[in-house]
Amino acid sequence: GNSVTQMEGPVTLSEEAFLTINCTYTATGYPSLFWYVQYPGEGLQLLLKATKADDKGSNKGFEATYRKETTSFHLEKGSVQVSDSAVYFCATTGRGTGFQKLVFGTGTRLLVSP
Amino acid sequence: NAGVTQTPKFQVLKTGQSMTLQCAQDMNHEYMSWYRQDPGMGLRLIHYSVGAGITDQGEVPNGYNVSRSTTEDFPLRLLSAAPSQTSVYFCASSLRGPGANVLTFGAGSRLTVL
Repeated sequence: GNSVTQMEGPVTLSEEAFLTINCTYTATGYPSLFWYVQYPGEGLQLLLKATKADDKGSNKGFEATYRKETTSFHLEKGSVQVSDSAVYFCATTGRGTGFQKLVFGTGTRLLVSP
Repeated sequence: NAGVTQTPKFQVLKTGQSMTLQCAQDMNHEYMSWYRQDPGMGLRLIHYSVGAGITDQGEVPNGYNVSRSTTEDFPLRLLSAAPSQTSVYFCASSLRGPGANVLTFGAGSRLTVL
């Protein structure tokens, strides 16, 4: 089945630093790829997604590009803020219109200090 | 719009006790699912439902029971709690069709089994 591997954390950065969180996937067919974010004490929420190769998802200054040749979907942000401190989950699933069993990575905790 | 509401937020049980985690959504989503989140393991699918009266097993269904009598509600029952069920539980919902793989999560229920 599909799977994702993401870098272990925590990732500790100073405010305004550049962020990269690596994610690679293993999948058959043509999966969709997602980044979900979990702020302290809250449930997960969708940050961005990409549904086909070379698509770039973006939201709140975060970006990730679906790279089929390297099976990667790395999350980047040019200048992080303290409010970006959270746990980030990479996920994959199929592209059908029926119920999709999302497969999540183990999560990467980001800590941003002032 | 409340989204996905889970109750209780926290619960402590003794081994062998039973309980029900409640989940309700007000977005008229057809699909609902339960995940558990454990350190270093990401989120794992327990059970899911594609509509009222229809449920199916996910990756880790043992020890849990679900039913879906209405579109809005999807309770998760622990039949005889075990320490291995200590976890954070998330309920999620999504639309049918092209939006099926974009999940809306509840805030989570933290369960401790002694």
